[in-house]
Amino acid sequence: TQLLEQSPQFLSIQEGENLTVYCNSSSVFSSLQWYRQEPGEGPVLLVTVVTGGEVKKLKRLTFQFGDARKDSSLHITAAQPGDTGLYLCAGAEGSQGNLIFGKGTKLSVKP
Amino acid sequence: GAVVSQHPSRVICKSGTSVKIECRSLDFQATTMFWYRQFPKQSLMLMATSNEGSKATYEQGVEKDKFLINHASLTLSTLTVTSAHPEDSSFYICSASVSRWRAEAFFGQGTRLTVV
Repeated sequence: TQLLEQSPQFLSIQEGENLTVYCNSSSVFSSLQWYRQEPGEGPVLLVTVVTGGEVKKLKRLTFQFGDARKDSSLHITAAQPGDTGLYLCAGAEGSQGNLIFGKGTKLSVKP
Repeated sequence: GAVVSQHPSRVICKSGTSVKIECRSLDFQATTMFWYRQFPKQSLMLMATSNEGSKATYEQGVEKDKFLINHASLTLSTLTVTSAHPEDSSFYICSASVSRWRAEAFFGQGTRLTVV
């Protein structure tokens, strides 16, 4: 069974600070997704990374897929209160495989 | 992105009754939809994979007679929690994939089920 370890579990920072969330596994994934979920709502897809070493940017968010496709990171620059939420990484087992979710990182950005 | 609509968003039911949750893909056809359960402060747990026109595939430990899944059309899947008990109270979320690439999924808003 493939497992995704996400760290840290909780993160509380001040507005304007930078942060990085990590997603690690001992297994190789064909692709990895990052989602953001707010309380009482479903996860919203932020990005999909497919190629080892790939870097994608979404405004102040930078996503990186490890060269070996076993790990990924999400870096947020100059965090804002609107970034508050649960960030989930999910890896896919092959193109037709199910998503395996990490436990999530609960981010709180204080004004 | 693609839109997945889930209904109802909240439901309270009495113990022993059944509850149906709908998941619709609004602007695309989804041959495969997924049903998840999420406990407080925990991540998503896949319950079953819903395939249009065929039986759902359930994950280990999920009772298929309790959680009935019907995927009657390319835009609608339903999850019925039968004879609900308080321990079934949870946040249920569906997702659907736009393309054959099942990994890129879009999620519904979720349904908060409370069994009293």
